[in-house]
Amino acid sequence: NAGVMQNPRHLVRRRGQEARLRCSPMKGHSHVYWYRQLPEEGLKFMVYLQKENIIDESGMPKERFSAEFPKEGPSILRIQQVVRGDSAAYFCASSPRPYNEQFFGPGTRLTVL
Amino acid sequence: GQQLNQSPQSMFIQEGEDVSMNCTSSSIFNTWLWYKQDPGEGPVLLIALYKAGELTSNGRLTAQFGITRKDSFLNISASIPSDVGIYFCAGPPWTGNMLTFGGGTRLMVKP
Repeated sequence: NAGVMQNPRHLVRRRGQEARLRCSPMKGHSHVYWYRQLPEEGLKFMVYLQKENIIDESGMPKERFSAEFPKEGPSILRIQQVVRGDSAAYFCASSPRPYNEQFFGPGTRLTVL
Repeated sequence: GQQLNQSPQSMFIQEGEDVSMNCTSSSIFNTWLWYKQDPGEGPVLLIALYKAGELTSNGRLTAQFGITRKDSFLNISASIPSDVGIYFCAGPPWTGNMLTFGGGTRLMVKP
């Protein structure tokens, strides 16, 4: 039973480009969460999605950031017009039930030049 | 926003020693989760606690859900080099649903 999968593991973008991060939850999990982690810090919640619905996006910046979890395919976190401050590790987690134990993917490390 | 205070921030111990770390909150939590994160990897769930007073073990790890529902501790017995990493406590507070993370305890083990 594969765990949470994220790709790419590393992503380099220049300022102004778009970053697209993908997450495939564990089999049987329909709840997906995105977190951001800066070096030497804990994880900060960004957004919680169920299939085709955004449940809570209170931790996500209102501009440039968007997330989706379509009926088919992975969840996508999209960052438009990236800036240097977007450089961080972005983790996806999934759970079988709402707000239940969450299982994390290996993360995508975004570097903005 | 909700904050979890985790201590100590870092520990440097000798192999074979026992380790204790804790997490406190100003508000009640209804679940406590303990994760370990290795460098360059995502957090891995170690132990989940659901009831006040609950004591749960996973191998050399033992965690407890505080009676007041505002704290939890994690103990590691007879530490080994592969215990090195950052340990995070996390939980959804009673007044909300989102998972809040502590700042982490960085554990270093000297062989």
